[in-house]
Amino acid sequence: QVQLQESGPGLVKPSETLSLTCTVSGGSVTVGTYYWSWIRQPPGKGLEWIGYIYDRGITNYNPSLKSRVTISLDTSKNQVSLKLTSMTAVDTAVYYCARGPPGDPNWFDPWGQGTQVTVSS
Amino acid sequence: DIQMTQSPSSVSASVGDRVTITCRASQGISSWLAWYQQKPGKAPKLLIYTASSLQSGVPSRFSGSGSGTDFTLTISSLQPEDFATYFCQQANSFPFTFGPGTKVDLK
Repeated sequence: QVQLQESGPGLVKPSETLSLTCTVSGGSVTVGTYYWSWIRQPPGKGLEWIGYIYDRGITNYNPSLKSRVTISLDTSKNQVSLKLTSMTAVDTAVYYCARGPPGDPNWFDPWGQGTQVTVSS
Repeated sequence: DIQMTQSPSSVSASVGDRVTITCRASQGISSWLAWYQQKPGKAPKLLIYTASSLQSGVPSRFSGSGSGTDFTLTISSLQPEDFATYFCQQANSFPFTFGPGTKVDLK
């Protein structure tokens, strides 16, 4: 059974770049049929889809974040990475990675437990 | 972007009650809708996809219906482990968007 675990700095300064990793166990990120997504949830608010990657490098990003976001795969470490530049307070959120069903980008299951990111000087 | 709304924003119910949550899309999304359950401090869990398909392992007391712009999630007999927040999500077009959530708590 595949499991996902996010990790990264809990605190980021304004204007800095956020780098998060999602370590996958029980499955391989190199299997081309799966879509790997990042989703975030600001405190007390709803969910926002950030984007996904599949087939070793094809990406699709939320237009609201597209200029600042990069999602990539590290096949040697079996990880999915997220980079978000020019961080501001509005980027404070719990960040989740999630996988879709085989060949299906539309739904998210399973999810990682999430990692809290706070933007503050 | 397609805007998703949910009603009510919260509902108080008792164990054994039938609970219905509504989700509305700002434009037609066919059946490209999912429902998730989220408990405090936990990741969301997929319950329903394509509006009415039950995800493997999800109890049959959960059901979904609707198409176009109006959808419902029904819990036929609320159980103690069902007290949570429920989100809908559209997958008709990018970017995928979620509803604001409906909190189900104990009356």
